[in-house]
Amino acid sequence: GESVGLHLPTLSVQEGDNSIINCAYSNSASDYFIWYKQESGKGPQFIIDIRSNMDKRQGQRVTVLLNKTVKHLSLQIAATQPGDSAVYFCAESQGGKLIFGQGTELSVKP
Amino acid sequence: DAEITQSPRHKITETGRQVTLACHQTWNHNNMFWYRQDLGHGLRLIHYSYGVQDTNKGEVSDGYSVSRSNTEDLPLTLESAASSQTSVYFCASSLSSYNSPLHFGNGTRLTVT
Repeated sequence: GESVGLHLPTLSVQEGDNSIINCAYSNSASDYFIWYKQESGKGPQFIIDIRSNMDKRQGQRVTVLLNKTVKHLSLQIAATQPGDSAVYFCAESQGGKLIFGQGTELSVKP
Repeated sequence: DAEITQSPRHKITETGRQVTLACHQTWNHNNMFWYRQDLGHGLRLIHYSYGVQDTNKGEVSDGYSVSRSNTEDLPLTLESAASSQTSVYFCASSLSSYNSPLHFGNGTRLTVT
């Protein structure tokens, strides 16, 4: 069946380095994608989104890249900080409903 | 500031009891959703509503029900709680426009003993 998944369940980076979190999706009809950040004991927090008619979108310290050819989505975090430590989820929109991936835990070493 | 509030934050109940989890949003969003989050499964959609008096089943709706009598609230009811329903439950809302991000509450941790 169609699904959204993540290549790496955990990612450890040094403070100040750039982080890249990857996500694969299998539904070529999905037209909207979102990245969420979830800290312990809290709900998912919206980071950035991208529509399928774009291949790149930038926010504050974050960039999302969409490669529709290989059905791949990535989140880049520049100058990673300890406060970025969290679980990151990608989600794709299927018929207006979001389908979430399993999540990647990002750990930032001081 | 607009927000989405879930209550209670923690709940322990016994098998077979009826439980209702509250969700209240002040975003004035038409769309509201309930998800459960479990290790190994991520976030799974239970029920959703696109407006007052509208409710729809998600992928894991068995044993759950919702009602939407106003814009702000979408309570989730477990008719007869089962141990398999031990989970963290998240409520979310979004604008009525197609493809808009969900805003989540901070969750309710439910334990069924």
